Order: sequence, then structure tokens, then C-alpha cells
Amino acid sequence: DADVTQTPRNRITKTGKRIMLECSQTKGHDRMYWYRQDPGLGLRLIYYSFDVKDINKGEISDGYSVSRQAQAKFSLSLESAIPNQTALYFCATSDFNGNTIYFGEGSWLTVV
Amino acid sequence: GENVEQHPSTLSVQEGDSAVIKCTYSDSASNYFPWYKQELGKRPQLIIDIRSNVGEKKDQRIAVTLNKTAKHFSLHITETQPEDSAVYFCAASGSNTGFQKLVFGTGTRLLVSP
Repeated sequence: DADVTQTPRNRITKTGKRIMLECSQTKGHDRMYWYRQDPGLGLRLIYYSFDVKDINKGEISDGYSVSRQAQAKFSLSLESAIPNQTALYFCATSDFNGNTIYFGEGSWLTVV
Repeated sequence: GENVEQHPSTLSVQEGDSAVIKCTYSDSASNYFPWYKQELGKRPQLIIDIRSNVGEKKDQRIAVTLNKTAKHFSLHITETQPEDSAVYFCAASGSNTGFQKLVFGTGTRLLVSP
């Protein structure tokens, strides 16, 4: 299922560098999300967007920013990466009722 | 806000046995409870969900039960197979300023041994 595509899939970056993770979807969904997955902590919501004019913080937004460039595109930026942002990042989408979440394949980010 | 606790964190069973994973939630307004399965190196995918107007839902070897009074729900897998080995996440959501936001549990790693 390549309906939700993330790039890059893997990235190693240095502390203090700016890094952008991109997400595009072909599902036609209005709602898009960025989650972070850490061992033992599950999936935590970073940001979510209802549509191109709507951006909302999730539970762990500090240190991150997002941009909704179009209905199908939602990017996540780390302005100044730090080692504890090393994690697996998932983009996701849902339809208008927001229930079923469809995840992308994930982006492994390592900050050294 | 909503808080979801999930137990156990790891579960090992023999092939053919049953497995049960339990979750509790804090927000009595939550009304949607999905379960996601994440195989090693892959994305989480929805396997079953239940809404607050029913107490149980089955789909072949998997079932989910919901106790709204106690605010807990469980995933039951019968006749487990090695391909059931994965991490399972529960989640809960409810209306909050018009947006149903899923809050996930911390995951259960299920290992099914042949």
C-alpha cells in the first residue's frame, strides 16, 4: 500500500542541523498527521492538519514544525535536530471523521 | 486529555494458544477503540475496531471486547499462529472540539512460538 509515501526513509543527521521529512498521499484524505514512535512509548502525535489552512499541535510538538503545502502534502521539520529526536517518524492520513488512521511506511531519523 | 494504558508489554505464547491484550482508558467520552498491528519493520495497520455502542466484535480469529463502565477494552486472538507475532497497539478517541484524536497505548510485543 503506497498510498502514503514518506521521504526519506532513512536519514542520519548531525546535531544542530535542519532536517525535513516529507509526506504525500493519494488517498484524497483531508486529515494528515505526524507521529513519532519510540520503543516502549508507543505512537505519539506531533502535529495534525485538517486541511491546507489548518495546523494543530499534538502532544509533543516542541522542537518540530510542519507545513501543509497542499491537500496531499504534509512535511515535518526539525529546525535544529538533537539526539533525543532520534526515532521512527510516521506520517498518516484519515478521512473526515478521523477514525481510521492510514500510516506511511515510516522514516528512520538518527541524530548524532 | 485521554490516557491509554496497555498491558502486558510483552507476551509469549505457543502456537495454537490464545492471547489477550488489555487496555484501559481515562476519558469516559471516548467512543472509538481501534487495534493496530505492526509487523517488524513495517507500518502499523488497523486490524479491528469497536465503537462504544457495542460490547464485542469478532473477525475470524480476532475479537475485541469493550467494557465502558470499567473503561477497558481487550484484544483476543485465538489459535495463534507464528504470523501473529508483531507489536499490537490499542487506541482510543472521542469527540474533543469536533476532532476525534487517537491516543495510542504503548504497545504489546506478541511472540508466537511454533
